Amino acid sequence: DADVTQTPRNRITKTGKRIMLECSQTKGHDRMYWYRQDPGLGLRLIYYSFDVKDINKGEISDGYSVSRQAQAKFSLSLESAIPNQTALYFCATSERQGIGANVLTFGAGSRLTVL
Amino acid sequence: SQQGEEDPQALSIQEGENATMNCSYKTSINNLQWYRQNSGRGLVHLILIRSNEREKHSGRLRVTLDTSKKSSSLLITASRAADTASYFCATRTGANSKLTFGKGITLSVRP
Repeated sequence: DADVTQTPRNRITKTGKRIMLECSQTKGHDRMYWYRQDPGLGLRLIYYSFDVKDINKGEISDGYSVSRQAQAKFSLSLESAIPNQTALYFCATSERQGIGANVLTFGAGSRLTVL
Repeated sequence: SQQGEEDPQALSIQEGENATMNCSYKTSINNLQWYRQNSGRGLVHLILIRSNEREKHSGRLRVTLDTSKKSSSLLITASRAADTASYFCATRTGANSKLTFGKGITLSVRP
């Protein structure tokens, strides 16, 4: 099984629908992240969490919300999806401290299409 | 805004040749990392170089860092078709700062 598991892997939805992308990890890492990847734009950070009760906005948090339900789970929600949220979404994790805090382990990605 | 900018945007080489990819950044960093992404997959960490290091090796990978020029290079020696992927540099400016990714370089290795 993958260390960082994202569900669903692919989702097609309509404008205005609520969507949740889920991420679970078996790495035992404290820190979790959600990134968005668009062609030609690289990866941009949406939200990140350093602990269960810690939620921080990234550079493009508008239109998104997150929930850190447990150390191993970090979900991303789009309350009312719009077409420009069509993208490839990645969950990532890292350790709390030391050199491991610098290195991200990524999930396989969730491709979201908003029609 | 992007901290790291890779160059070139795309690179096509023959199997067995060396591939050199460059990354420039704007502000002082704590460390710089390179990641690889195979088509449609998640990113995989390749190598990390700290701001006080100038060169690191890992297998066929060699990374250099020039903090005076705010630039890094990733060299893949004796490339293989399996090295075909996108490569991203990522920078961290402080201990608890976010990791910021560049837009990536697409490397194609022809058999």
